[in-house]
Amino acid sequence: AQSVTQPDARVTVSEGASLQLRCKYSYFGTPYLFWYVQYPRQGLQLLLKYYPGDPVVQGVNGFEAEFSKSNSSFHLRKASVHWSDWAVYFCAVSFDSNYQLIWGSGTKLIIKP
Amino acid sequence: ETAVFQTPNYHVTQVGNEVSFNCKQTLGHDTMYWYKQDSKKLLKIMFSYNNKQLIVNETVPRRFSPQSSDKAHLNLRIKSVEPEDSAVYLCASSLRTYEQYFGPGTRLTVL
Repeated sequence: AQSVTQPDARVTVSEGASLQLRCKYSYFGTPYLFWYVQYPRQGLQLLLKYYPGDPVVQGVNGFEAEFSKSNSSFHLRKASVHWSDWAVYFCAVSFDSNYQLIWGSGTKLIIKP
Repeated sequence: ETAVFQTPNYHVTQVGNEVSFNCKQTLGHDTMYWYKQDSKKLLKIMFSYNNKQLIVNETVPRRFSPQSSDKAHLNLRIKSVEPEDSAVYLCASSLRTYEQYFGPGTRLTVL
């Protein structure tokens, strides 16, 4: 069955340090992939998206992600985190002609001063 | 301003009451969604709807129903709320693509 896994429920990073949030999916074809961010008491905002093409995609606020078909992964990266990045990050995948998204369980990013 | 709007922000009610949540999008999208987000932040799709098709997640209890007057509005009605309905309800929309845009959510507390 198609699925999305975010293996880390919480990630703690020092301000200014680099970041990687992991996302793995299960599917035999080429999916469409997304990262969303949810700040406290807000809805979800699209950070970046992958449609088949260049495997490295750039998003807002210095975020980027890399698609790897061999690893079935779409990890999110940032070179230097800021305290304002404290939020929950969701990976989502779609393989469906009805545009349904399958969601990961989210990773809470905590920033240490 | 173009966005997805939800009202109310918060709602507190008692078991057995009926509630309705409103969602409006001004993005010109043709598909709208309702999600339930539990206390652990897990997202569950409840409904997706465009002017041709309603897709219902088969795990959604029958007391939940979507109501749409046009493609810019998709409300959510809960006929008789239960304690497990306490959650944040998120509305989203899209335009024939996989990118969904979300409203701020409605937080429901059932006493």
